[in-house]
Amino acid sequence: QVQLQESGPGLVKPSQTLSLTCTVSGGSISSGGYFYWSWIRQHPGKGLEWIGYVYYSGSTYYNPSLKTRVSISVDTSKNQFSLRLSSVTAADTAMYYCARGRDSGYDRWFDPWGQGTLVTVSS
Amino acid sequence: DIQMTQSPSSLSASVGDRVTIACRPSHSVGSFLNWYQQKPGKAPNLLISGASSLQSGVPPRFSGSGSETDFTLTISSLQPEDFATYYCQQSYTFPYTFGQGTRLEIK
Repeated sequence: QVQLQESGPGLVKPSQTLSLTCTVSGGSISSGGYFYWSWIRQHPGKGLEWIGYVYYSGSTYYNPSLKTRVSISVDTSKNQFSLRLSSVTAADTAMYYCARGRDSGYDRWFDPWGQGTLVTVSS
Repeated sequence: DIQMTQSPSSLSASVGDRVTIACRPSHSVGSFLNWYQQKPGKAPNLLISGASSLQSGVPPRFSGSGSETDFTLTISSLQPEDFATYYCQQSYTFPYTFGQGTRLEIK
């Protein structure tokens, strides 16, 4: 079964760029079809915010609220996809999850999710 | 963006109780409504997609219903492992958005 694992620094300084990688195992990120690869974050004690997605071909779509600062890319050779969020502030402190998304036109959901990685923005 | 409103925000119940959680999108989402369960320190887990389709491995005591702007998640007989936070999520249009969560606690 497909599993996802986030990795990256747990502490980022204000104004710097947050960079995370999600490694996919148990399946190929290039399988394409109805699957795409997303980042979702959860502020401490709060709800969930969808950040954006990347398709295996490299096409992307971002949440307009973060669009000017976010970039998601895919590396099919490593079966990984990555998140970059620039000019971070304390408001970007959150648990960051990667997740596989499915969109068959009539069936759209996120499953599975990685375990999450906590990123704190602080000097 | 479509705003998702869940009610109640928190709920205390006992093992064996029947529980219903509501989710109301600010605009119609058809049947593009998913439910997730999140336990402390864990990632969310997909329970129900398309408003009412139970995911493989999810106990049948969970059920979902509704359409457009009115959805419910029902747990027919609460088990100890069901105490968690539940989120609804619309997948009708980007940006996909989630409800604020309903925390289900043991009475």
